[in-house]
Amino acid sequence: EAQVTQNPRYLITVTGKKLTVTCSQNMNHEYMSWYRQDPGLGLRQIYYSMNVEVTDKGDVPEGYKVSRKEKRNFPLILESPSPNQTSLYFCASNGAGDEQFFGPGTRLTVL
Amino acid sequence: SQQGEEDPQALSIQEGENATMNCSYKTSINNLQWYRQNSGRGLVHLILIRSNEREKHSGRLRVTLDTSKKSSSLLITASRAADTASYFCHPHPGSNYKLTFGKGTLLTVNP
Repeated sequence: EAQVTQNPRYLITVTGKKLTVTCSQNMNHEYMSWYRQDPGLGLRQIYYSMNVEVTDKGDVPEGYKVSRKEKRNFPLILESPSPNQTSLYFCASNGAGDEQFFGPGTRLTVL
Repeated sequence: SQQGEEDPQALSIQEGENATMNCSYKTSINNLQWYRQNSGRGLVHLILIRSNEREKHSGRLRVTLDTSKKSSSLLITASRAADTASYFCHPHPGSNYKLTFGKGTLLTVNP
């Protein structure tokens, strides 16, 4: 089954404790991206990757890092999380010009 | 980045009625996509209409596209309570670049 998986689905952590949210897709898509969704602000893109070893900033990249060492994986790294990074995070992937497939979401709370 | 603006922001109707949502965008597109998001879940692709198409149907969904006005509409006929969700339009430039989303239209279908 074609899908995007994210882990963990829920995470409560404390300020400053490094964390990684994993994202994996099984569709051999070149393009992957991360979004965060906050009430009243819609979906905002954090980072995107157009292929292995090619990443670029989206609209809200501050406080986040990503890596794309292999085509299927695109982890999101928060080196020193802060409370303003409490949000619902989505990973997505798509082929050229086609629909985006979204993961189930990761609900992160930073205390 | 290319993103659409959905209108209205919120729409409340009775079961069985039709729901119409609109989308405007600013730059040229290769296609335009509509997505649905149930509360707290990932976005799910509904329908894609190409820039050379004016109308497309899929089940109870009807999408129109007017590239001269840079606008699109999504019509859901005979709505059901299960259609309650947020709906997002996604004007796609055809090359995978900064792909972002607007704030969506929150549709509530009352039983």
